[in-house]
Amino acid sequence: EIVLTQSPDFQSVTPKEKVTITCRASQSIGSSLHWYQQKPDQSPKLLIKYASQSFSGVPSRFSGSGSGTDFTLTINSLEAEDAATYYCHQSSSLPTFGQGTKLEIK
Amino acid sequence: QVQLVQSGAEVKKPGSSVKVSCKASGDTFTNYAFSWVRQAPGQGLEWMGKIIPIFGTTNYAQRFLGRVTITAEESTSTAYMELSSLRFEDTAVYYCASETTVLRYFETWGQGTLVTVSS
Repeated sequence: EIVLTQSPDFQSVTPKEKVTITCRASQSIGSSLHWYQQKPDQSPKLLIKYASQSFSGVPSRFSGSGSGTDFTLTINSLEAEDAATYYCHQSSSLPTFGQGTKLEIK
Repeated sequence: QVQLVQSGAEVKKPGSSVKVSCKASGDTFTNYAFSWVRQAPGQGLEWMGKIIPIFGTTNYAQRFLGRVTITAEESTSTAYMELSSLRFEDTAVYYCASETTVLRYFETWGQGTLVTVSS
């Protein structure tokens, strides 16, 4: 099983700040890494597919990068509505998720 | 893009089974694979298994082997997840999620079904 480790687990940030969340895979997964946003009491929503491709309708402040074992989700100019938990997911083999990163807006 | 609607909340006793449904609409059912992902209270996402209806194939996460069965009914465009030998720690929201048979990210999620295991 491929283990995904996200950092940080929690971050408190102010609006308009730039946020970076990382996801490290226990072995190389190429670009088979996807990012989701989950707000309280909602289903997860796809943000980024295949490491760097933005999903339709996602605001342009969300971007992704990386390949192999190290990946990054960047949120430029954070907005209050971005308060959520963010998960990475790999599809190189049987799916697994990172443990999540909770973003709190100050 | 497919839409997914799941069955309602369930309360089950330890040792029993639960079967949750996920009805797809808006696109051809056999264009998709359907996974089940669960989330225990306050916890993260955990993939349980998936079915590819056009091939009739299933894959399961190791930790659920022998306890989970995922099926699909093409005539009603519905996927099912049955979990047996329920334990208190199986209390969670269970989501179905769709991916195309080629592009393996979860594009659409159901609304979730809360399963509570209580004596």
